[in-house]
Amino acid sequence: EIVLTQSPGTLSLSPGERATLSCRASQSVSSNYLAWYQHKPGQAPRVLIYGTSSRATGIPDRFSGSGSGTDFTLTISRLEPEDFAVYYCQIYDWPPRYTFGQGTKLEIK
Amino acid sequence: EVQLVETGGGLIQPGGSLRLSCAASGFIFSSSYMTWVRQAPGKGLEWVSVFHSGGGTHYADSVRGRFTISRDNSKSTLYLQMNSLRAEDTAVYYCARGRDDYGDFMNWGQGTLVTVSS
Repeated sequence: EIVLTQSPGTLSLSPGERATLSCRASQSVSSNYLAWYQHKPGQAPRVLIYGTSSRATGIPDRFSGSGSGTDFTLTISRLEPEDFAVYYCQIYDWPPRYTFGQGTKLEIK
Repeated sequence: EVQLVETGGGLIQPGGSLRLSCAASGFIFSSSYMTWVRQAPGKGLEWVSVFHSGGGTHYADSVRGRFTISRDNSKSTLYLQMNSLRAEDTAVYYCARGRDDYGDFMNWGQGTLVTVSS
């Protein structure tokens, strides 16, 4: 079973700054099957990035994803006030199983 | 517009049963794979179960043997039958629509809260 470890657990930044969130897998994963989500309290999670680097419909281009193998990154180039939330990475592997990381909380400094 | 609306949550005693429903609209339900994801209070997201458009079903180890996923394509509705409920099953349960070839969840409902407590 693949385990996803996200770092840092909490990231404190100011609007306008750049955010870099990490997701490390315990074994190599296909880049097709790595996604990132944003989750705000009381709301449904929202997919930001799928297939490691493809932005989902309606996602601003300040969000970008990269990586391969076991190391993946979500970058928010310039933080807007609405970006402060919890972010999860997620993979799909075989047998059909979907695994989330434990999350990174992005908070206003 | 894609919509997923979960219903059926509530307060249930340990050992009890509950059935969640997820009504879908705005896309071709029968050709989509659908899943349930939950979030316990103060915890992260946890995948629960998936129902592929071809008929295959799979479960997380934590619910296998107790939960059953099903779907009625004529009603565009996904279900989750939850039996032998435990306190640790307390969570907001989300249904979500999967994206073919990528394994992510492209649309989500707002969730329904299940509380298992005596």
